[in-house]
Amino acid sequence: GEDVEQSLFLSVREGDSSVINCTYTDSSSTYLYWYKQEPGAGLQLLTYIFSNMDMKQDQRLTVLLNKKDKHLSLRIADTQTGDSAIYFCAERGQAGTALIFGKGTTLSVSS
Amino acid sequence: GAGVSQSPSNKVTEKGKDVELRCDPISGHTALYWYRQSLGQGLEFLIYFQGNSAPDKSGLPSDRFSAERTGGSVSTLTIQRTQQEDSAVYLCASSLSPGEQYFGPGTRLTVT
Repeated sequence: GEDVEQSLFLSVREGDSSVINCTYTDSSSTYLYWYKQEPGAGLQLLTYIFSNMDMKQDQRLTVLLNKKDKHLSLRIADTQTGDSAIYFCAERGQAGTALIFGKGTTLSVSS
Repeated sequence: GAGVSQSPSNKVTEKGKDVELRCDPISGHTALYWYRQSLGQGLEFLIYFQGNSAPDKSGLPSDRFSAERTGGSVSTLTIQRTQQEDSAVYLCASSLSPGEQYFGPGTRLTVT
């Protein structure tokens, strides 16, 4: 079945780059997403990438997609304490347009 | 403009009672989704509405769960005879196109 895997925790120092990794199993995924969830809040769409792209950059965010290895990463440059949150990787599932989510990576940024 | 809104933000109910959770999608968004977020389970898809088409109910965990969407806008998720394992945050999302889904703040349901 479809599955999305992420590491659970990442800890970085302010100013460093953060890289959050994700693997997925559905080779027919057409969209892959990164969402951010701050404590007590809903999910905020950060960025998404079409499966025919290798990279997408948006200000401090860089998304890399390796379709062959079914690997997606999110790089946050110059990480700030305000970036501390849970980051969810998601794919658009094969059965329809419902998203399949990973369990989330908790990013902790220390000053 | 206004985002997706959900009510109530918190709901505490006794086991065996019915609950209704409401979602107001972004105006003009034709697709509406319900997800459940619980500890250790991550985010699970529950149900999906697209325009006037029959909803995709493939994610509903049991027949105690149902949802409707009136007039192509507001949606209500109903859980009958609630159980403790129903305790979770229920998230609603809407989209205009399949690519982008925008989430509401969620309803935290606690079943005692």
